[in-house]
Amino acid sequence: DIQMTQSPSTQSASVGDRVTITCRASQNIVTWLAWYQQKPGSAPKLLIYKTSNLVSGVPSRFSGSGFGTEFTLTISSLQPDDFATYYCQQYDHLSTFGQGTKLEIK
Amino acid sequence: QVFLVQSGPEVKIPGASVNVSCKTFGYTFSGHGLSWVRQAPGQGLEWMGWISPYNGDTKSEQKFQGRLTLTTDTSTSTAYMELRSLRSDDTAIYFCARDKDSFLGYCSGGACPSSLDFWGQGSLVTVSS
Repeated sequence: DIQMTQSPSTQSASVGDRVTITCRASQNIVTWLAWYQQKPGSAPKLLIYKTSNLVSGVPSRFSGSGFGTEFTLTISSLQPDDFATYYCQQYDHLSTFGQGTKLEIK
Repeated sequence: QVFLVQSGPEVKIPGASVNVSCKTFGYTFSGHGLSWVRQAPGQGLEWMGWISPYNGDTKSEQKFQGRLTLTTDTSTSTAYMELRSLRSDDTAIYFCARDKDSFLGYCSGGACPSSLDFWGQGSLVTVSS
């Protein structure tokens, strides 16, 4: 099984901050990685697929990068609507989610 | 518009089975695989399994093998998830979610499942004696 490790588990930040979340895979997943945003009481929302492809309608302040085993999600200038929990997902072999990163208001 | 509408909440006793449905709208049902993902209270997302409505092919996380059955009914564009021998730690919200990429008839890296672009609203399953 492929394990996904996200860091940090929790991050406190302010509106306007640049935020980076990291996801590490236990083996090479090439670029088969997606990022999701989830707010309490709602289903996850796909933000980025295949490492760096932004879903239509997702603000351009979100970006993704990486290859192999190391991946990042960056929010260039945090907005009030961005405070949520973020998950990475590998889909190279079956699928696994990271444990999540909760983005909190500082 | 694409929608996935799931069945309502369920309360089950340990050892019982639960069947959750996921009715889809707004796209060609056989053209995309569907995953099932669960989320225990206050916890993260856990991928359970995947099915292709095109050919019935299924894949599942090893921990669920023997307890999980995924099926589809193409006549009603509905997917079903049955989980048997329920335990208290199966208490969770269960989501169905559609593969973003069309199913090409075979599985390889990046497929079966792919990334998940549309999700059902979730179905709460509570297992308690």
